Amino acid sequence: KNQVEQSPQSLIILEGKNCTLQCNYTVSPFSNLRWYKQDTGRGPVSLTIMTFSENTKSNGRYTATLDADTKQSSLHITASQLSDSASYICVVSALGASKIIFGSGTRLSIRP
Amino acid sequence: DAGVIQSPRHEVTEMGQEVTLRCKPISGHNSLFWYRQTMMRGLELLIYFNNNVPIDDSGMPEDRFSAKMPNASFSTLKIQPSEPRDSAVYFCATQLAAYRERSNSGANVLTFGAGSRLTVL
Repeated sequence: KNQVEQSPQSLIILEGKNCTLQCNYTVSPFSNLRWYKQDTGRGPVSLTIMTFSENTKSNGRYTATLDADTKQSSLHITASQLSDSASYICVVSALGASKIIFGSGTRLSIRP
Repeated sequence: DAGVIQSPRHEVTEMGQEVTLRCKPISGHNSLFWYRQTMMRGLELLIYFNNNVPIDDSGMPEDRFSAKMPNASFSTLKIQPSEPRDSAVYFCATQLAAYRERSNSGANVLTFGAGSRLTVL
């Protein structure tokens, strides 16, 4: 069964600190993995997209990693800012099938 | 480009009423998705169109829900009759290519609208 599991479910950290969000998936055959950021009251916005051949991709203070062997991805946020408070959703697409599977998200809160 | 445009942004209605949500995709995007998001269930795919043709509607919860895409620049999601359990945020998302491609190009990135928050009393 194609599944995407994210952890932790929620996280609170102080402004300026780093954090890492995890995503494990069982989607097969794998096509690509995306991380989205969803601010409260808004639609998700893409942060990164990675295929099986990519290990790391950065977008400013956001760095995503992908281990296609263990089917794990992480999103690392460096020097967090208050504006990073949002839900972060891991999305995995299956190749050759009409499926995009969404994780349930990690709700991140940055405290001053 | 103004992005994916959804309307209305908010709708409050009474049980039994018909609700129509609208979506204007980004020009040139040929795939369109309707999602529903709730706290309990997260984001759920309702239906997916490719080149205006419904490809996968297995996520549509029941016959009360219907979706159309009469042309490349407009889609509607209709609920008739609405029920309180339909209360959710409904998102429309579009992308350039069908997501069967093994690609990390921008074509494979879903662009979401701001959502339509529906409350059925």
